[in-house]
Amino acid sequence: GENVEQHPSTLSVQEGDSAVIKCTYSDSASNYFPWYKQELGKRPQLIIDIRSNVGEKKDQRIAVTLNKTAKHFSLHITETQPEDSAVYFCAASTNQAGTALIFGKGTTLSVSS
Amino acid sequence: DVKVTQSSRYLVKRTGEKVFLECVQDMDHENMFWYRQDPGLGLRLIYFSYDVKMKEKGDIPEGYSVSREKKERFSLILESASTNQTSMYLCATGPPGTQYFGPGTRLTVL
Repeated sequence: GENVEQHPSTLSVQEGDSAVIKCTYSDSASNYFPWYKQELGKRPQLIIDIRSNVGEKKDQRIAVTLNKTAKHFSLHITETQPEDSAVYFCAASTNQAGTALIFGKGTTLSVSS
Repeated sequence: DVKVTQSSRYLVKRTGEKVFLECVQDMDHENMFWYRQDPGLGLRLIYFSYDVKMKEKGDIPEGYSVSREKKERFSLILESASTNQTSMYLCATGPPGTQYFGPGTRLTVL
């Protein structure tokens, strides 16, 4: 089955810096890669996703890149703000009926002002 | 917005008790999922269901079972609760690939 590795487990940056979180996956059939953000005490929320026919996707200060050959994808946050502090999870799936998302172990991002 | 509700936010049970965690969604999705979340281990899939009365084991099904008698309701059952099942339990639903999470149930087994 699919296995998703996520690094780093913790990341501390200064406000205004960029943050990068990286994930690798094992199943070459996976074609959908979402990212979730979980603020303290809240449920995980989808923030951005990318499909295998796209190499990069941006949404304001966040972007995701995908390298299918190397089986890795990354989340980039620019101009970080204290409200970006949260746990971020990457995930992978084949996006077919009857399949589930497999999540990485999460990255705790701390943005200090 | 998709609404996913879970029966309890906090639950305290004793070792050996049978525990039921319920999840209800209001968007008619076929897929429903149960995860547990532990520090440093992320979100681990326990069971999921892609149709009424259908179920599939996830990565950590041992000690758990599930029930899906109606499309909108997916129950997680701890047959005989143990202390190592103390955790946050998250239900999710959504179309293939997209998951909307419930608020979670913090279960403590004493």
